Amino acid sequence: GQQLNQSPQSMFIQEGEDVSMNCTSSSIFNTWLWYKQDPGEGPVLLIALYKAGELTSNGRLTAQFGITRKDSFLNISASIPSDVGIYFCAGHNGGSQGNLIFGKGTKLSVKP
Amino acid sequence: DTGVSQNPRHKITKRGQNVTFRCDPISEHNRLYWYRQTLGQGPEFLTYFQNEAQLEKSRLLSDRFSAERPKGSFSTLEIQRTEQGDSAMYLCASSRPAVGTGELFFGEGSRLTVL
Repeated sequence: GQQLNQSPQSMFIQEGEDVSMNCTSSSIFNTWLWYKQDPGEGPVLLIALYKAGELTSNGRLTAQFGITRKDSFLNISASIPSDVGIYFCAGHNGGSQGNLIFGKGTKLSVKP
Repeated sequence: DTGVSQNPRHKITKRGQNVTFRCDPISEHNRLYWYRQTLGQGPEFLTYFQNEAQLEKSRLLSDRFSAERPKGSFSTLEIQRTEQGDSAMYLCASSRPAVGTGELFFGEGSRLTVL
């Protein structure tokens, strides 16, 4: 089946640093999304991307839909302790609007 | 929005028992989804309802699993004859009509442990 490869799997950063993570696939997706999950909670949508090449920001977060439609990246600028959590990329290319393929996540830990 | 509500939050059961989880979506959301998440993995799609109609089912949804949304509001997910491999977090999500693909609101999940 389709798989999304997220990297890195985990990262430790100093507060105030910028963070970059990405997601790749061997298949084309029509939609890319980024979700964040805190311990004991469900995922929360951060950014949705609908067009190849699209660059979208949400506060300190910026994400891009790759031109090839097979990748996406998420940047977090000036990280703060509450950025800790697991970040998931998700793609959609068919089926119902909620039938998403999720990556395995990037676990972000911030040193205060 | 009061958020997507799921219960129970935790369930421990013995292998072979039946379990049922309930999901109450955000009130104006007509679309409802069930996902399963195991440790260290992302959520995996199980099934989708639009109003009371179950429109899509993943091959992950074996014949021991059944989901219903009888009046187009809350939904239940039942697992019969549970197996240890069913241990996971079961997430429910909902979305509004005419919203962008994949823009889901997730509940906090129901964690199942099968002994």
